[in-house]
Amino acid sequence: KAGVTQTPRYLIKTRGQQVTLSCSPISGHRSVSWYQQTPGQGLQFLFEYFSETQRNKGNFPGRFSGRQFSNSRSEMNVSTLELGDSALYLCASSSAKTGGPHEQFFGPGTRLTVL
Amino acid sequence: GESVGLHLPTLSVQEGDNSIINCAYSNSASDYFIWYKQESGKGPQFIIDIRSNMDKRQGQRVTVLLNKTVKHLSLQIAATQPGDSAVYFCAENLNYGGSQGNLIFGKGTKLSVKP
Repeated sequence: KAGVTQTPRYLIKTRGQQVTLSCSPISGHRSVSWYQQTPGQGLQFLFEYFSETQRNKGNFPGRFSGRQFSNSRSEMNVSTLELGDSALYLCASSSAKTGGPHEQFFGPGTRLTVL
Repeated sequence: GESVGLHLPTLSVQEGDNSIINCAYSNSASDYFIWYKQESGKGPQFIIDIRSNMDKRQGQRVTVLLNKTVKHLSLQIAATQPGDSAVYFCAENLNYGGSQGNLIFGKGTKLSVKP
């Protein structure tokens, strides 16, 4: 079974631009979560989608948004990029439907650099 | 601040020795805990998990211990190998209404194995 894939793997943008990152979960997984990883703040939860609905959201500004499609693929968007948005953005998928936690499988991440 | 943290940022062990990585959490409502291993340039990789109704769980060469009284989690790696060198994260899940996509990660411990 193929793992979680993320595209692109590397991205360089300038301040003020916007960016869209893509995540394809493991086949059959309907839950997709996004995380931001930086040396200073570590791994921080952005949001979770399940069946095209945002089910949970972390403490990030509204510039960070996401969506999920009917095939469970997910995208996240960051508008008006700031230098501090430079990070590794990780996507994780899970097979769980409701009720109780399950293992999350992570993709390799997208390394975003904002200049 | 973060509710999950680690006692030691770095740990250096001799090949063949046992490693113990510690983690403290502050939210007594957390019901699920996971240890992840992250190698350079890769996303976190699941090692082992434990639910709050257990105090010990064993995997292949790894054991996770959960002490809910003092809100402490540890990962024990037996016969540590050079391939175990990585950053290890503990994560907790607050199961709000069945949503389990929100993992709160600790800062991580870098494990270095000396041959």
